[in-house]
Amino acid sequence: AQSVTQLDSQVPVFEEAPVELRCNYSSSVSVYLFWYVQYPNQGLQLLLKYLSGSTLVKGINGFEAEFNKSQTSFHLRKPSVHISDTAEYFCAVRGSYQKVTFGTGTKLQVIP
Amino acid sequence: DAGVIQSPRHEVTEMGQEVTLRCKPISGHNSLFWYRQTMMRGLELLIYFNNNVPIDDSGMPEDRFSAKMPNASFSTLKIQPSEPRDSAVYFCASRGTPLGQPQHFGDGTRLSIL
Repeated sequence: AQSVTQLDSQVPVFEEAPVELRCNYSSSVSVYLFWYVQYPNQGLQLLLKYLSGSTLVKGINGFEAEFNKSQTSFHLRKPSVHISDTAEYFCAVRGSYQKVTFGTGTKLQVIP
Repeated sequence: DAGVIQSPRHEVTEMGQEVTLRCKPISGHNSLFWYRQTMMRGLELLIYFNNNVPIDDSGMPEDRFSAKMPNASFSTLKIQPSEPRDSAVYFCASRGTPLGQPQHFGDGTRLSIL
């Protein structure tokens, strides 16, 4: 079985400040990891993914995430957020089975 | 490139009515997923298909829900009879091969059952 934990349901941060959204997972097999973003009234869009290789993954909109196997984490970071980054962010894991498990989401609110 | 297309975008209907949600996956994708999103329960996987065959429908809430994928380019999610607690945003997503490919989501259908 696999699971994803996003401990923070909401993260307020001031504009131009850095942000980290936390994601921890559990799986008995090797995994693929994803971060998605959801803007209001839209579907989820892929931000970045980790399949293998370098543990630091860069995505769109200046986001990056680091895969840490020993800590079973895949935290999302951005050095300087913008108002337009206000959205809900979902971490997801996929093991050897076809099903993807999504976290419960973290709402990022950027304060001007 | 056309993404995943869902219709309708919004549906408002009275309880007891049949509701049909439609999805056109991205051409060439062989896996299709139906999700439901609510404030209370977040994003829930209802069912997914691989090569038009239902693989896991354990997330389908009850017999009032059914899903079909008659061909590689079309899927439906039907609720009959509908109830107010079915009100949610329903998303369809598709994915191609090989392993590790992400899912691509449609914009969703916002369903309100009165």
